[in-house]
Amino acid sequence: DTGVSQDPRHKITKRGQNVTFRCDPISEHNRLYWYRQTLGQGPEFLTYFQNEAQLEKSRLLSDRFSAERPKGSFSTLEIQRTEQGDSAMYLCASSPRQGAGDGYTFGSGTRLTVV
Amino acid sequence: AQSVTQLGSHVSVSEGALVLLRCNYSSSVPPYLFWYVQYPNQGLQLLLKYTSAATLVKGINGFEAEFKKSETSFHLTKPSAHMSDAAEYFCAVSDRNQFYFGTGTSLTVIP
Repeated sequence: DTGVSQDPRHKITKRGQNVTFRCDPISEHNRLYWYRQTLGQGPEFLTYFQNEAQLEKSRLLSDRFSAERPKGSFSTLEIQRTEQGDSAMYLCASSPRQGAGDGYTFGSGTRLTVV
Repeated sequence: AQSVTQLGSHVSVSEGALVLLRCNYSSSVPPYLFWYVQYPNQGLQLLLKYTSAATLVKGINGFEAEFKKSETSFHLTKPSAHMSDAAEYFCAVSDRNQFYFGTGTSLTVIP
């Protein structure tokens, strides 16, 4: 296993379009997280899953955002009716268990540009 | 509530000079603290972490950080900067379910 994979690496979309990103975590990790990083800022928490259950969602995750992890393996993050303010790097991370950040591994991210 | 503050959004050092990146934290419980590095268009790579063991934590690439409870600080240091250290550095605190990141410090290394 080579780490957390995210696809695509880059996405350019027109305002109003829907986009979907995929994250494949490290296979034995049961926790999966999504973060958003805007230019010049640190990553901000969006949501996390334990297996297929979505346990927490940030206020940043508006109604236009939805995340799924249907079989407790890969996850998708969909943004509907994209806005220019959605332009950011979307980072996925996984970890083997609840803990003090042990084994928390980030993917390389998907950079979204909304034009 | 958990939060971190990174003092100095940009730091420049000469190659071979000491690197000091500052981080102060706020936590209502004993904190778990981390430093991550991010290269352009890349994800985050863990440099080191403090999880209530030794207060001086050694990480990768010659970096280390000291947890000082009295000062609520977790500053990152490296004795001698290398050109390859040029990157964005993030301090973070964890509450076991998520990370709270600082706004980052961009390190420039001058040859």
